Amino acid sequence: SAVISQKPSRDICQRGTSLTIQCQVDSQVTMMFWYRQQPGQSLTLIATANQGSEATYESGFVIDKFPISRPNLTFSTLTVSNMSPEDSSIYLCSVEGTATYEQYFGPGTRLTVT
Amino acid sequence: KQEVTQIPAALSVPEGENLVLNCSFTDSAIYNLQWFRQDPGKGLTSLLLIQSSQREQTSGRLNASLDKSSGRSTLYIAASQPGDSATYLCAVRTGANNLFFGTGTRLTVIP
Repeated sequence: SAVISQKPSRDICQRGTSLTIQCQVDSQVTMMFWYRQQPGQSLTLIATANQGSEATYESGFVIDKFPISRPNLTFSTLTVSNMSPEDSSIYLCSVEGTATYEQYFGPGTRLTVT
Repeated sequence: KQEVTQIPAALSVPEGENLVLNCSFTDSAIYNLQWFRQDPGKGLTSLLLIQSSQREQTSGRLNASLDKSSGRSTLYIAASQPGDSATYLCAVRTGANNLFFGTGTRLTVIP
């Protein structure tokens, strides 16, 4: 299994500002995933972050809006840039187990944009 | 494209009842299926993982079954407790990096 921590756990931000979310895993992993969960919705994959290469973004998500860093095999950051109220969501960091492909999630960052 | 549906969207039961949550998927070519629990405003906690070759998995009061051919999974919760109140999500994996989530069932267990 993997233990994932995220910082901050929640934040209230003003329109037009940026927030960087940190994700730390207790073991080395090849891929880290960033998800968004808008209010009342299920999870949507934003991007996959590999160490040493550019993140791969899903349709509808762009690097300018959601820049991602992956400096090593246990850490990643997601920045939500130039925020608007539509960015109010829970942002979740996730990894998958190598043997069983079991998915593990962090506790989430609850973002409110006013 | 894989579509995952969970019915009902919300369920309210009195404490002590046994209950079943349903998950259906459109493409039976899956690698595994996972059930999660999510408390309000929080992350996802993995409850049970069923590989495509398995029929069921059990953990305490939880039992999950998988019928790949019919595209269905059920999560059975025995002797429900107020602490079971949460949203339950199922997710189907069709390969590496391909995880499809249902919209969840919001469960309320009334003391």
